Order: sequence, then structure tokens, then C-alpha cells
Amino acid sequence: DAGVIQSPRHEVTEMGQEVTLRCKPISGHNSLFWYRQTMMRGLELLIYFNNNVPIDDSGMPEDRFSAKMPNASFSTLKIQPSEPRDSAVYFCASTGGLMRETQYFGPGTRLLVL
Amino acid sequence: AQSVTQLGSHVSVSEGALVLLRCNYSSSVPPYLFWYVQYPNQGLQLLLKYTTGATLVKGINGFEAEFKKSETSFHLTKPSAHMSDAAEYFCAVSGTGAQKLVFGQGTRLTINP
Repeated sequence: DAGVIQSPRHEVTEMGQEVTLRCKPISGHNSLFWYRQTMMRGLELLIYFNNNVPIDDSGMPEDRFSAKMPNASFSTLKIQPSEPRDSAVYFCASTGGLMRETQYFGPGTRLLVL
Repeated sequence: AQSVTQLGSHVSVSEGALVLLRCNYSSSVPPYLFWYVQYPNQGLQLLLKYTTGATLVKGINGFEAEFKKSETSFHLTKPSAHMSDAAEYFCAVSGTGAQKLVFGQGTRLTINP
């Protein structure tokens, strides 16, 4: 299996621009998680989905952030408008099947907002 | 609710020495416990996990951890450090059957030649 796939791997943008991060979970997994990692705050869960339905979005920092999962093989995390404090590494993880307690992480997207 | 405390944000050991990374957790329900490793510019990789059964669990790369309920601990050990073990290590907890993971702040392990 290819594992969790994230794109782009690196993104540099200017303040005020829209940013879209993409994730393809492992085939057959039915839960998907978005995390943000910064030096100051560590790993934070932003939102997670079960069977394409958002279950807990309490970690989404503000209305500028939105996430969708239109089908079982694709999710997006959008920031509009972006701000310098959004600079971080964003990870996607998926889980499902018999090992549903184990989350498998993608390689991350390193976002820099200038 | 769950929480995790990793004691020591940085740990440095000599190659061949014992590695001990400490993790204490808090959970209102029986916990599932995890250790993940993150190499530079990579995602997190599962090292090992405790769900039920044997309290001493073995993982990849020679690591193991012991679940001690009385001490609310899940410390990670490796008898002999290797240079390739240099990475950041995260302890995480979830409630039994729950999917939401709570991570500790991480411990950066440095191996001295």
C-alpha cells in the first residue's frame, strides 16, 4: 500500500492567499484526521472524520479554516485567508479496519505564510 | 478526558547506552497507549502500542514499553542505543475504543558517538 498521501509537500504563500492542502487516506480506512504541528503548541488535532462525516472539529482554530471529505479517498484542509501564524507542518492520518486504534500518518505539508 | 506528560524535552545518551524516555498519562477510562517516532522532515511512525493483555509490549527497532497502571506510566526503553535512533518520540493516549489521540509534547533523543 502507498500509505497516506499528502500534497503539496511544501507550500509557500503570501498572507491573505487561500491555501488548500490535500490528503488521500490508506485504501479501506474509514477515519481521517488532520493535525497541525508547531514548535510552540506541538501536535494538535484539528478535525477528524468517520465515514466522510466530520465528528469533532473542536480543534479548528477559527473560521478561516475549513475541511471537507467528499469521498472515502480524498480530503482537503483549506485556509482562507492565510496568516503568518498559520505557518506549520500539517499532517493527515487515517485509520480503519481491524487496527482502527492505530493512526497512520502521511509525510506532512510544510506551510510557510509570508 | 486524557492527557500525556513526557518528562524531558531533550534526552541525550551515548551510543550503546540504555535509552529511557518517560511518559505519564491521565485517563478517566482504561487507556490505549502509543509511542510514535518522527524522523526529520517525516511523518509519525508507530513504534509500539498497548491496548489490552500483556503489559510489556515490544515494538520495532528493539524498543519496548511497559504499561504500569499503578504508576500511570508507559515508559519507552531500548537496551542499547544506535545512532539511527536519533529522532523525536511522542507518547499518546486514547480511551478504550476511542479514536481521538492526545499527544505529549515530544522528547528529542540525541545519540552521542
